[in-house]
Amino acid sequence: AQTVTQSQPEMSVQEAETVTLSCTYDTSENNYYLFWYKQPPSRQMILVIRQEAYKQQNATENRFSVNFQKAAKSFSLKISDSQLGDTAMYFCAFRLLIHTSGTYKYIFGTGTRLKVLA
Amino acid sequence: NAGVTQTPKFRVLKTGQSMTLLCAQDMNHEYMYWYRQDPGMGLRLIHYSVGEGTTAKGEVPDGYNVSRLKKQNFLLGLESAAPSQTSVYFCASRLDGYEQYFGPGTRLTVT
Repeated sequence: AQTVTQSQPEMSVQEAETVTLSCTYDTSENNYYLFWYKQPPSRQMILVIRQEAYKQQNATENRFSVNFQKAAKSFSLKISDSQLGDTAMYFCAFRLLIHTSGTYKYIFGTGTRLKVLA
Repeated sequence: NAGVTQTPKFRVLKTGQSMTLLCAQDMNHEYMYWYRQDPGMGLRLIHYSVGEGTTAKGEVPDGYNVSRLKKQNFLLGLESAAPSQTSVYFCASRLDGYEQYFGPGTRLTVT
C-alpha cells in the first residue's frame, strides 16, 4: 500500500528559530515526486517545495529545504528563521504514476500543525 | 487570472438533500481533482478528470458524482447528502507539470 505518515500532529517553534517536520512514505515505485504543501488558516493550499525522487540533491526554496533520504523513504521539511506567517498546517504528499491508466495519483499525509511563537 | 475558484464557500444541508459544488479554473488546465479533508485524515481523492468529458473514481467516490462538460469546470454532486459527508471539499487543477493548484475550499455541513 502506498501511504504517507506524518508522525507529529502539532509542533511549535520560536520566531527566528529552525524547525523540522518529519514525513515518511511507503511505495514500491522508483519514480515519483514528493511535495510539501502549506495550508494557512485561510485554508488555501500552497505548494512550498517539491523533490524529484531521481534527484539526490535536496531541494531548497529560500528558508525551506528538505532532507530526502530515498532508501529510508523519508522526506523531512526544514524551516529556517521561522516567521509568524509560517503558522499553518503542513502536508507531505507524493505523486506516482498509475500504470494501468497512465494518470498520476497524489497521496497526502494527515498533516502537522505548526505554530510559530512570537 | 483568478486561478481555481469554488462555489459556494459554505453550505449547510439536511440529510437527504442534494447539491452541486462548482469548481472553475481559468488556467486551461487538463487535469482536475476533487478532494475531501477531514480531521486527522489528510486529503482524500474523491474523483478526478484528465480532460474535458472524462471522469474517474478516486479513493472515496461513493455518494458523489462528477461531471466535466467544459474544460474549465468540474462539478461535484451529492444526490442524497449524509452526515458522513460533512467535510471541507477542495478542488485542484494541474496542467502537465507536477504542481496542483488548489481552490479555497467549501465547508459543507450535513445535519
